[in-house]
Amino acid sequence: SQKIEQNSEALNIQEGKTATLTCNYTNYSPAYLQWYRQDPGRGPVFLLLIRENEKEKRKERLKVTFDTTLKQSLFHITASQPADSATYLCALSDYGQNFVFGPGTRLSVLP
Amino acid sequence: DTAVSQTPKYLVTQMGNDKSIKCEQNLGHDTMYWYKQDSKKFLKIMFSYNNKELIINETVPNRFSPKSPDKAHLNLHINSLELGDSAVYFCASTQFRRGVSTDTQYFGPGTRLTVL
Repeated sequence: SQKIEQNSEALNIQEGKTATLTCNYTNYSPAYLQWYRQDPGRGPVFLLLIRENEKEKRKERLKVTFDTTLKQSLFHITASQPADSATYLCALSDYGQNFVFGPGTRLSVLP
Repeated sequence: DTAVSQTPKYLVTQMGNDKSIKCEQNLGHDTMYWYKQDSKKFLKIMFSYNNKELIINETVPNRFSPKSPDKAHLNLHINSLELGDSAVYFCASTQFRRGVSTDTQYFGPGTRLTVL
């Protein structure tokens, strides 16, 4: 069965450092991968999308890499700020309408 | 203007009752979803509706029935509620283009259901 893992349930880093979150998957060949941010008591909010034929995508302080050989995506937040503290979810999808979400990593950026 | 809205935000009810959660999107999307997020924060897809047709129905008990009166609405009706149904339910919408990378999903604020 399809399985998605995110490196850790919780990650603490110091303000100004780069946060790196990992998403690994098995038994799946996604067409693309998305990263979402979820704050407590709110719905997930889309951040970045990367396609299977893309290696890297950037948006401001965010960077996503996608390695379909390793079946892994890395999500980086550079110059992290306390406001970046949230749960980050990766989601895989094929060309249909089925989305599979990972369990999320709760990031805490300490001042 | 809220893109995806859900009502109610909180729902507390007794076991065995029947309840509904409403969802509306004003984005003009043609595909809507219902997700369940349990206490461990796993977000699992329950249903997908595309142009008022059910496309995905994961292994969800038939006590759960999605109803879409039109493209902008996807309501979730739950019969004979059980303790294990307690969770946060999210509605989402997207514009689906077959064979092309699907647009991002826009999520509602969630409905926290507590079954006593």
